[in-house]
Amino acid sequence: SQTIHQWPATLVQPVGSPLSLECTVEGTSNPNLYWYRQAAGRGLQLLFYSVGIGQISSEVPQNLSASRPQDRQFILSSKKLLLSDSGFYLCAWSGVAAPGDTQYFGPGTRLTVL
Amino acid sequence: AQSVTQLGSHVSVSEGALVLLRCNYSSSVPPYLFWYVQYPNQGLQLLLKYTTGATLVKGINGFEAEFKKSETSFHLTKPSAHMSDAAEYFCAVSPRDKIIFGKGTRLHILP
Repeated sequence: SQTIHQWPATLVQPVGSPLSLECTVEGTSNPNLYWYRQAAGRGLQLLFYSVGIGQISSEVPQNLSASRPQDRQFILSSKKLLLSDSGFYLCAWSGVAAPGDTQYFGPGTRLTVL
Repeated sequence: AQSVTQLGSHVSVSEGALVLLRCNYSSSVPPYLFWYVQYPNQGLQLLLKYTTGATLVKGINGFEAEFKKSETSFHLTKPSAHMSDAAEYFCAVSPRDKIIFGKGTRLHILP
């Protein structure tokens, strides 16, 4: 079966510091990968998605970037965090092992920028 | 353009009462439809999905939803609410290229 991991689970960072959040998927090959952010009371916002190694699409202009160095690894980064980057970050995967475009989510990372 | 509307950002029901969470969608192609549940500080968990075939879909934890094309609706129901059902619920539509999520409905269960 497929499993998706995210770490760290929680993170408190000062404004202006760098960020690296990691997501890995097990049990499937060539998944589509997604990064979402949940800000309080604002639902899910799609930040990035990737259909393959090195292929990243950005949904909204922002202070963040994403990379996919390996087939089942997706990284969310920032060079300098802003207060507005606080939120709950969710990674998800979909693909041939999940028919009907179903996305399966990781446990999330709670980021607080002070 | 595709969209999802969830009616009511907060819904309260008594324990043992019927749960009804409303979702309407807009899609230019026959959609895939989903309900996800999110417990505090956790990721989203798939409750159920409709792709093709039978319009009444049964999911986990006693939930079900019915796809009504004429009403462009996919409402989520459960006959008898339990305290453990307290969570946020997201309806989503996939017009094939991506999933579009509603803004969510927080379900409160009253003892």
